[in-house]
Amino acid sequence: NAGVTQTPKFRVLKTGQSMTLLCAQDMNHEYMYWYRQDPGMGLRLIHYSVGEGTTAKGEVPDGYNVSRLKKQNFLLGLESAAPSQTSVYFCASTESGAHTGELFFGEGSRLTVL
Amino acid sequence: AQRVTQPEKLLSVFKGAPVELKCNYSYSGSPELFWYVQYSRQRLQLLLRHISRESIKGFTADLNKGETSFHLKKPFAQEEDSAMYYCALRNQAGTALIFGKGTTLSVSS
Repeated sequence: NAGVTQTPKFRVLKTGQSMTLLCAQDMNHEYMYWYRQDPGMGLRLIHYSVGEGTTAKGEVPDGYNVSRLKKQNFLLGLESAAPSQTSVYFCASTESGAHTGELFFGEGSRLTVL
Repeated sequence: AQRVTQPEKLLSVFKGAPVELKCNYSYSGSPELFWYVQYSRQRLQLLLRHISRESIKGFTADLNKGETSFHLKKPFAQEEDSAMYYCALRNQAGTALIFGKGTTLSVSS
């Protein structure tokens, strides 16, 4: 089992460029999440999904879009990257209901926007 | 409002010393709280949850509703405990976790 896999692991973008981060999980989890980790700011929830075809906004959704077309995949898109989006992005997943406390995280994707 | 506060960015202790990582929360109703840990070059992982009342790697955490706190404690720190620690709170809808800003624990010999 690979668990939660994020691609790419590193990316450098210029301001205004677009990109998509892919998260894949092989645990048949219902819930998936995208967080960003910034020094001094901790982990902040961007968007999440409670099932295939659903998405919801988290604490810091502006500038990002997401899609969950397949249960195992959760995509995070940046349509027009800004330097403020320089961060480490973490995907996580969990079973639904009482198990939502135990999140399984990916290794992170480090994005730099110049 | 739902909020998790970890007041210390960095906590430095010597090996063998007691450790207490502070976590305070704001929540309406009965909260569900967790501690996550991120060791160097490893994935973020669950350390313990308050409903389990368990001790993991010598760490314990007690929910104190009166003080709205969920401090993480260990009587004798080890060098391998050095890591980033996050306190987390399940949101009101039960669909996601809200994390604090994290505390870096540094244990030196």
